[in-house]
Amino acid sequence: DIQMTQSPSSLSPSVGDRVIMTCRASQTIYTHLNWYQQKPGKAPTLLISAASTLHSGVPVRFSGSGSGTHFTLIISSLHPDDFATYYCQQSDTVPYNFGQGTKLEIK
Amino acid sequence: QVQLEQSGAELKKPGSSVKVSCKASGGPFETYAINWVRQAPRQGLEWMGGISPHILGSTTYAENFKGRLTITAEEPTTTVYLELSGLVSDDTAIYYCVKNITGSYVLWGQGTMVTVSS
Repeated sequence: DIQMTQSPSSLSPSVGDRVIMTCRASQTIYTHLNWYQQKPGKAPTLLISAASTLHSGVPVRFSGSGSGTHFTLIISSLHPDDFATYYCQQSDTVPYNFGQGTKLEIK
Repeated sequence: QVQLEQSGAELKKPGSSVKVSCKASGGPFETYAINWVRQAPRQGLEWMGGISPHILGSTTYAENFKGRLTITAEEPTTTVYLELSGLVSDDTAIYYCVKNITGSYVLWGQGTMVTVSS
């Protein structure tokens, strides 16, 4: 199975900060990488697919990059609504494992 | 707009089975797959398996669940079911059905809480 590792596990940024989080795969997944946002008590929602394609309706302050085994999600200027947990997921090979998540907490 | 509507919360005894439904409002599932993901309390997301109704109902399951997980689709394909048997306390979780478009989970159901307790 392909293992997905996210870092850091948590962050305490301030509104307006540039936020960077990473996701590593245990073997190459090309660009078969998705990012999801989950707020407490809610189902996750798709932010980015294929490593860098912004899903419809997602604000442009979110961006994704990477290929192979190393991927990055960047929030260019953090909004109050962005405090949530972010998960990466590989869609290259079954089982489509998720990372353990990066939680953005209010400082 | 298509939504995925899941059945309500379940309370089950250890050793029993649970069947959760996922219905697409607005018509059949057409040409996409439905996958299932679960999330234990305060934990991350775990992929369980999926079904592709448009590909003769082909299914795939995570190794962790093989032998006790069954995913089926109703014809005409408007409802997908997850059935998990041999429940243990570690199966307590929210179960989500998701619309899978080329590997991306573009739409999620609202989730079904399954609690396993004696």
